[in-house]
Amino acid sequence: GQQLNQSPQSMFIQEGEDVSMNCTSSSIFNTWLWYKQDPGEGPVLLIALYKAGELTSNGRLTAQFGITRKDSFLNISASIPSDVGIYFCAGQLVGWQGAQKLVFGQGTRLTINP
Amino acid sequence: DTAVSQTPKYLVTQMGNDKSIKCEQNLGHDTMYWYKQDSKKFLKIMFSYNNKELIINETVPNRFSPKSPDKAHLNLHINSLELGDSAVYFCASRLEQMPTGKLFFGSGTQLSVL
Repeated sequence: GQQLNQSPQSMFIQEGEDVSMNCTSSSIFNTWLWYKQDPGEGPVLLIALYKAGELTSNGRLTAQFGITRKDSFLNISASIPSDVGIYFCAGQLVGWQGAQKLVFGQGTRLTINP
Repeated sequence: DTAVSQTPKYLVTQMGNDKSIKCEQNLGHDTMYWYKQDSKKFLKIMFSYNNKELIINETVPNRFSPKSPDKAHLNLHINSLELGDSAVYFCASRLEQMPTGKLFFGSGTQLSVL
């Protein structure tokens, strides 16, 4: 089945540092999304990307949809303690009878030392 | 008000039992999903319903039976629970007309099979 390779799997950084994570796939996706999951909660959408080459920002977060439509990256600038969590990339597929589903990467666990 | 709510939050049960998880959304969405998150935090789609009709059914054992009494509710019944069913199960919803991929997740049901 479709698979997204997300890296790194985990990051340990100091508060204030910038963070970068990425996702690659052997398949082409028409939409890339980035979600964040806090402990004990469900994932929450951070950024959605709809066009190849698109670069989108949401506050300190910036994400890009790769030109080949097979990759995406997420950057977080000037990290703060509340950025701690697991970040997931997701690719949107359209399947049987137009049913849409998300395929998720393995997640990047971000830990911040104050 | 909670947008996507699941009950129970925690479920501990013995192998072989039958259990149900309930999900309700008050967002007016017409498409709902069940995702399974394993111990390594990998998120995998199980089922999707659009207006009470099953539209996605991934390779899931037939011990798992989803039911959607109306478009605001999607329940998951699991028969003859096995150790490998232990995971966090997330309900999610979206509106068909919304830009693709914008799923709203519940806070999850942590199922532990002993």
